[in-house]
Formats: sequence, structure tokens, C-alpha cells
Amino acid sequence: KAGVTQTPRYLIKTRGQQVTLSCSPISGHRSVSWYQQTPGQGLQFLFEYFSETQRNKGNFPGRFSGRQFSNSRSEMNVSTLELGDSALYLCASRSEMNTEAFFGQGTRLTVV
Amino acid sequence: GESVGLHLPTLSVQEGDNSIINCAYSNSASDYFIWYKQESGKGPQFIIDIRSNMDKRQGQRVTVLLNKTVKHLSLQIAATQPGDSAVYFCAETLPNTGNQFYFGTGTSLTVIP
Repeated sequence: KAGVTQTPRYLIKTRGQQVTLSCSPISGHRSVSWYQQTPGQGLQFLFEYFSETQRNKGNFPGRFSGRQFSNSRSEMNVSTLELGDSALYLCASRSEMNTEAFFGQGTRLTVV
Repeated sequence: GESVGLHLPTLSVQEGDNSIINCAYSNSASDYFIWYKQESGKGPQFIIDIRSNMDKRQGQRVTVLLNKTVKHLSLQIAATQPGDSAVYFCAETLPNTGNQFYFGTGTSLTVIP
């Protein structure tokens, strides 16, 4: 069974640009959540999607958004990038019957 | 937001010794706890979990202890191996918050051969 797949693995963007990250969950998993990981703040919850609906949202500005498709794949978008958005963005999937979350390898975003 | 803290940011142990990683949480309503291991360049990997109605749970070489009285969680790794070197995170969830985990800042475990 394939794990959680995130693309791209690495990304370099310029301040002011926007970026879209992709996450394919484990087959059969309908819940996808996103986390931002930085050395200073650790792992912080961005949002969760379940069956194409945002079910939960963390304390991030509106520049951070996401969506989920009917096949459970999810994308997150960050607009008007700031230097502080440089981080490892992690996606986690979960089956609706199990609370354990499986993480992808992450997308390393660098904003210059 | 939730506060999940760790007692020590780094821990060094000799290969073969037992390791204990501690974690404090602040919300007594937290009902589910997980320990994750993160190696350099990889995403967090599930180790073991425990629900709030339990005090102890054992896995292969790992044991998680939950003390709800003092809101403390610990991960014990038996016979620590070099491959156990990584950053370990505890995470908690609250009821009805879906997949939202509150993570601690992590403890870096180094195993000395």
C-alpha cells in the first residue's frame, strides 16, 4: 500500500509569489491535514479536509488555503509569500475509522 | 492554542541502554496521545499511541505511560539502537477535533555506539 505522497519535495519561491503544494493520501483515507514545521515553532496545524470539506482550521492567516478533491487528493496554496513562510509543509492522512495519522515526506519551501 | 511541552530538548544514551523521553500536556480534556519519530529529511513516523482511558501501552521495544493526574506522558525505548536516533514528538488531540494534533517541540535522541 503506497504511503502519503507529497509533491514537489523541494521548492524555492520569491517573496510575493504564490505556491501550490500537493498531497495524495493513502488509498481509502478521506481525511487529509496539513502542518507547517519550522525550527522555531515546531509542528503547527494548518487545516484538515474530509470529504472535500474543510473540517478544522488552525491559526494561520488567510493567505494559507487549501482544498480537497473527490479522490481525496489535497492541495494547499500560499499566496503573497513571505520569508517567514519558509518551512517544511507536511501532509497527513487518516482513515475515518482510525485516529493514527500517517505523514508524507513533506515539501521543503524556501522563500527568498 | 494547546501547549505541549517537553522536559529536555536533547537526550544522549549509550547503545543498549533504555531511553525515556518525557512530555507534559496542558489540557485535561485531551483524549488521545501519539508519539512520533522524525528522522532527518523525513516526515514524522508513528511509533505508538494511547487513549486517555489507559495508563500504559506497550509496543515492540517501546512503552508509553500516561499520568493524567500530572498531565504527563513518557516514551520508553528499550535497548536503544543507533537507528533510534531521531527527534521524537509527542502529540495530543482533543475530542471532536478530527485530525488536529497539537505537537510538542520535540526531543532529539542521540544514541552513542
